[in-house]
Amino acid sequence: DIQMTQSPSSLSASVGDRVTITCRASQSVSSSLNWYQQKPGKAPKHLIYGASTLQRGVPSRFSGSGSGTDFTLTISSLQPEDFAIYYCQQTYSSVRSFGQGTKVEIK
Amino acid sequence: QVHLVQSGGGVKKPGASVKVSCKASGYTSTSYSVSWVRQAPGQGLEWMGWISAYSGNTDSAQRLQGRLTMTTDTSTTTAYMDLSPLRSDDTAIYYCVFIDGNTGSEDWGQGTLVTVSS
Repeated sequence: DIQMTQSPSSLSASVGDRVTITCRASQSVSSSLNWYQQKPGKAPKHLIYGASTLQRGVPSRFSGSGSGTDFTLTISSLQPEDFAIYYCQQTYSSVRSFGQGTKVEIK
Repeated sequence: QVHLVQSGGGVKKPGASVKVSCKASGYTSTSYSVSWVRQAPGQGLEWMGWISAYSGNTDSAQRLQGRLTMTTDTSTTTAYMDLSPLRSDDTAIYYCVFIDGNTGSEDWGQGTLVTVSS
């Protein structure tokens, strides 16, 4: 199975900061990568698919990039509602795996 | 407007089985798959498996193979997940995810808590 590793596991940032989260796959997944945001007590929200395509309704301050094994999720200007846990997921393999998550906390 | 409603789950004893259903309303796509994802208390997301509603093909995480059964009823746009026999580490919130094969868009259920305890 393809292993997904996110870094950092957590970070502290202030409103307005630029935040970058990295996701690395144990083998190439082409551009078959999703990003999710999860807030406490809620189901995950699908943000990005195909490594860089925003789901409808997702603010443009979110962006994704990368291909192969290395991917990034960037929040250009962190807003109060963005404090959450973010997960990547590869959809290249039929067995689809998630990263362990990155918690974005308020500094 | 797509709306997924999950039912089933609850408190189960080790060795028992659980069946969670996930009914989609307002779903117009005829080409969709359903994934099942779970989240143990305080832990991250774990992908369990998926089923193609069109072909019935399935795949699942290796650690769940032999215990996980996924089915769909396209006439009612309902997906089902059976897990048996249950173990204590199966305690988690279970989510269904409908994925539109044409657009790639996803809709998530509200989650169903399954607690495995003697």
